[in-house]
Formats: sequence, structure tokens, C-alpha cells
Amino acid sequence: EIVLTQSPGTLSLSPGERATLSCRASQNVDNNNLAWHQVKPGQAPRILISRTSNRATGIPDRFSGSGSGTDFTLTISRLEPEDFAVYYCQQYGRPPWTFGQGTKVEIK
Amino acid sequence: QVQVVESGGGLVKPGGSLRLSCAASGFTFSDSYMAWIRQAPGKGLEFVSYITSSGGYISYADSVKGRFTISRDNAKNSLSLQMNSLRAEDSAVYYCARAKSGLDSWGQGTLVTVSS
Repeated sequence: EIVLTQSPGTLSLSPGERATLSCRASQNVDNNNLAWHQVKPGQAPRILISRTSNRATGIPDRFSGSGSGTDFTLTISRLEPEDFAVYYCQQYGRPPWTFGQGTKVEIK
Repeated sequence: QVQVVESGGGLVKPGGSLRLSCAASGFTFSDSYMAWIRQAPGKGLEFVSYITSSGGYISYADSVKGRFTISRDNAKNSLSLQMNSLRAEDSAVYYCARAKSGLDSWGQGTLVTVSS
């Protein structure tokens, strides 16, 4: 199975700052089928990005995704208070689908 | 709008069984891949299983293979997860999700606790 490794584990930033989250795959992700999900306590997860760089419906343009092959990045250009959460990358290019271990973005 | 609602969670003893259900609405269920994902307390998201639109292909995480069975009823717009031989490490919130371009619509989850 494809193992996804996210870094850093925790990112401590202030509102207005830029966040850069990394996701590295143990093998090429087929068709760059990599998604990013946001999880907040007590809420259902929600998808932010699909196919590496496609923003999901209703997702603000401060969220962007990039990368290819084995290296992928989620960037939040200017953190808003509601963006402090845990972010997971997920590959759906090859079964079994897998998630990274998550990056927590916390208020500094 | 797209909606998926899980049910069937609860407390079960180790070695026991439980069946989770997911009711889908607001989209063409029979055209959609569907998936189960779980999150144990204090842990990250873990893929459990997915099933193609017709049910012709199924994938499981190694951790549940041979114990869990995913199925769907396209006539009833419903997805199920039969969980047998449950272990303490299966305790988690179980989410149902539509698997379109990733996992594009998630339910609120149902809590499964495996404990004696």
C-alpha cells in the first residue's frame, strides 16, 4: 500500500500568516489522485482539494494544492481563525486508499 | 443537497458483531463509489473500505480484511458495513462518504465502542 507521510506534525502560526503543509508518498500517486481534507473537533471532515490542485465547491481561494508524483503541498495563503484545524492528505489513485497521519495547524 | 447519514453504532463486546448503515440522498447513489473511514479517539483518519458503483469491486484496509464486509443496495440508496470479530482497536467514529474525486461528502459519523 502507499504510505503517506505528512510534515510537519504541528504548525504553530498566527492569523494572517502563510501555512505550507507537505505530504510525501512512498510511491507515485496514480493520476495525481491526491486529496486534502480538513477536520475540526466535533465536525464531519470536509474535502478541500481533489486531484492535487482542484478546489472543492465552496472552498476559499486562499487554499491551494500543488505537486505531482510523490510530493504534494497544501498552501493556505493567509490563515483565518476558522482555518486552525487538522489537515489530512489522502491518495485514491491505487487501492487500498490511504491517509497521511495529519498536520495540526494551531494558533501561535 | 448531497447527504449521507450513518447509523448503527453502539457498544459491543470484543469478538462481537455490529452492522453499520448509511442512508444517502441528494445524488445518484447508483452512479457513485462509496467508502467507510474511521477515526479512533485521539488518532488520525483511517481508510476502512470502498465499493464501486455497481459493487463489482471492493477494497479493504489490511486491518479489517476478513472481518468486515461492505455492501450496497442501489434500490434503497443505502450502504452497509458488517463488522465481525470486533476488537478493542476497532473502537472509533465510523464515517460514510461519497467517493467522488476523493471523498467529497462525509456524514457526521457513528461511534463504535468495543469493550467488555
